[in-house]
Amino acid sequence: AQSVTQPDIHITVSEGASLELRCNYSYGATPYLFWYVQSPGQGLQLLLKYFSGDTLVQGIKGFEAEFKRSQSSFNLRKPSVHWSDAAEYFCAVGSNYQLIWGAGTKLIIKP
Amino acid sequence: DTGVSQDPRHKITKRGQNVTFRCDPISEHNRLYWYRQTLGQGPEFLTYFQNEAQLEKSRLLSDRFSAERPKGSFSTLEIQRTEQGDSAMYLCASSGPGQGIYGYTFGSGTRLTVV
Repeated sequence: AQSVTQPDIHITVSEGASLELRCNYSYGATPYLFWYVQSPGQGLQLLLKYFSGDTLVQGIKGFEAEFKRSQSSFNLRKPSVHWSDAAEYFCAVGSNYQLIWGAGTKLIIKP
Repeated sequence: DTGVSQDPRHKITKRGQNVTFRCDPISEHNRLYWYRQTLGQGPEFLTYFQNEAQLEKSRLLSDRFSAERPKGSFSTLEIQRTEQGDSAMYLCASSGPGQGIYGYTFGSGTRLTVV
């Protein structure tokens, strides 16, 4: 079965600290991989995406993600978080027309 | 280009009523997708169109749900005889020719509350 697991429902980090959000997937073939961010009352904004090539992908707002085929993982990282990064983050995988989503990780920033 | 527009932003309806949501995609995008997002979950795929053709509708949640895209431009999603379990955010996305999921742009969604 195709699925995406984001093991952390909530993560709390101090402003300026580094961040890693985990994503593991189960998919029949090599999928397209995505990270989206959703702020309260806002739509889903694409942070970065991957299909092939360099397994370290750079995105917007200083985020990056690394694809590890052997671990079926696509973890999101940021070296130093800002208060404005507080939001919900979704990992998604898919091919052709449909995305399968994780349940999201809510990022809380401590001042 | 103003992005993907969804209307209304919020809808409160009584159980048993019918509701209709509208999505206007980016003008040059030929594919349009509907998702549902319930509280605490990621979005769930419902259906998609390529131009006016509805190419996948098996994921619509029940026969109370239907979607149209009559002229290959805007789309509507209708829920008949709403139930409290239909309360959710309904998201629309579009993508251009040859882009598929790699070119998704999402709208801000319509939040439905069934009371």
